[in-house]
Amino acid sequence: ETGVTQTPRHLVMGMTNKKSLKCEQHLGHNAMYWYKQSAKKPLELMFVYNFKEQTENNSVPSRFSPECPNSSHLFLHLHTLQPEDSALYLCASSQTGQAYRGEKLFFGSGTQLSVL
Amino acid sequence: GESVGLHLPTLSVQEGDNSIINCAYSNSASDYFIWYKQESGKGPQFIIDIRSNMDKRQGQRVTVLLNKTVKHLSLQIAATQPGDSAVYFCAEIPGNTGKLIFGQGTTLQVKP
Repeated sequence: ETGVTQTPRHLVMGMTNKKSLKCEQHLGHNAMYWYKQSAKKPLELMFVYNFKEQTENNSVPSRFSPECPNSSHLFLHLHTLQPEDSALYLCASSQTGQAYRGEKLFFGSGTQLSVL
Repeated sequence: GESVGLHLPTLSVQEGDNSIINCAYSNSASDYFIWYKQESGKGPQFIIDIRSNMDKRQGQRVTVLLNKTVKHLSLQIAATQPGDSAVYFCAEIPGNTGKLIFGQGTTLQVKP
């Protein structure tokens, strides 16, 4: 176990539904991330939170809405998604968000999302 | 533009053989590189990293080689085991952005 837990593991939703993905880390880290992993494409960074503050939004459509109530929890609220949003959504955490200093990213197992 | 890529999408090796997974990067400003392993149904997991002031770094059964002249990174796995079957990603961090860029991944299949 990596210390990063994501729920649900699988989610099927219609384009008009509203759902939320949850991530919790038990590592005492202060930075949390959302990544999107689509088939045949590299991991795409979506959002970064550092000490509960959003420090990066990688031009993500507004139908994805992140929330970070504290350093241990991260949510991704989903509404009016499109079929092309179907992907594996990965949450990660690191000590302070400074990967270039050699900080390791710890990933959860992801939520496999299917939008019908 | 920036890109991190792998030469082969799939690599099949016999159990016990050595595996070599390759990665090419295009940003000469990249000074930190990481290899991740992603097993089926799991998220990526850190394997080994290397900074641009080094050519080689060894871990347990894994070695990363960096050739800055041709912007090439490789991961060598000694005595490949069935548990090594996974997708392997390289990632780079350009010193001028500090942002992690992932490559597309190579699937390693280990034949018994």
